[in-house]
Amino acid sequence: EPEVTQTPSHQVTQMGQEVILRCVPISNHLYFYWYRQILGQKVEFLVSFYNNEISEKSEIFDDQFSVERPDGSNFTLKIRSTKLEDSAMYFCASRGTGPMGYTFGSGTRLTVV
Amino acid sequence: DAKTTQPNSMESNEEEPVHLPCNHSTISGTDYIHWYRQLPSQGPEYVIHGLTSNVNNRMASLAIAEDRKSSTLILHRATLRDAAVYYCILRDVKGTYKYIFGTGTRLKVLA
Repeated sequence: EPEVTQTPSHQVTQMGQEVILRCVPISNHLYFYWYRQILGQKVEFLVSFYNNEISEKSEIFDDQFSVERPDGSNFTLKIRSTKLEDSAMYFCASRGTGPMGYTFGSGTRLTVV
Repeated sequence: DAKTTQPNSMESNEEEPVHLPCNHSTISGTDYIHWYRQLPSQGPEYVIHGLTSNVNNRMASLAIAEDRKSSTLILHRATLRDAAVYYCILRDVKGTYKYIFGTGTRLKVLA
């Protein structure tokens, strides 16, 4: 079964550093998403991306965050200057057309120290 | 805020059916009902979705009330691997199809 692949599985970074989280969505999917989950809390929507542009973003997705699809296969989330409160699991997801659900990746655990 | 209400937790014995309820009294005519589950330390996993009619797939069945204000996810024979948090989410066909997750139902399966 097709999978969404995320790398790395775990990243530790110092506060103030930039991080890039990488995702390879399912190859024929057109819609891409990032969500995050702080330990013990709900899964929260960050951003949706379609046709090489952001289609919707949440209040969490401020100027410190950016997304990019640099080639035909990767989808990245960049955090420019990490804060302690950015520590969370970050999930990438993709979907095709129609009312079907998403496929989520297994996540990247980001720890900011 | 999530537009669905689910019990915080439920327990089931292994090999027995499990019925996970969800209330969505403010559902609109264009909202699909989606169910996901999240196993420990993993990303959410799509289970099933429906609009008006009951649905079956290899993982589960979805029973939707006639007025669509509630639905029930049915696992026909629970296994230990079904222990997870189950989320019932409404998804509008318009817009970006983002999900608003609630706290879900934590299902414990007893051996």
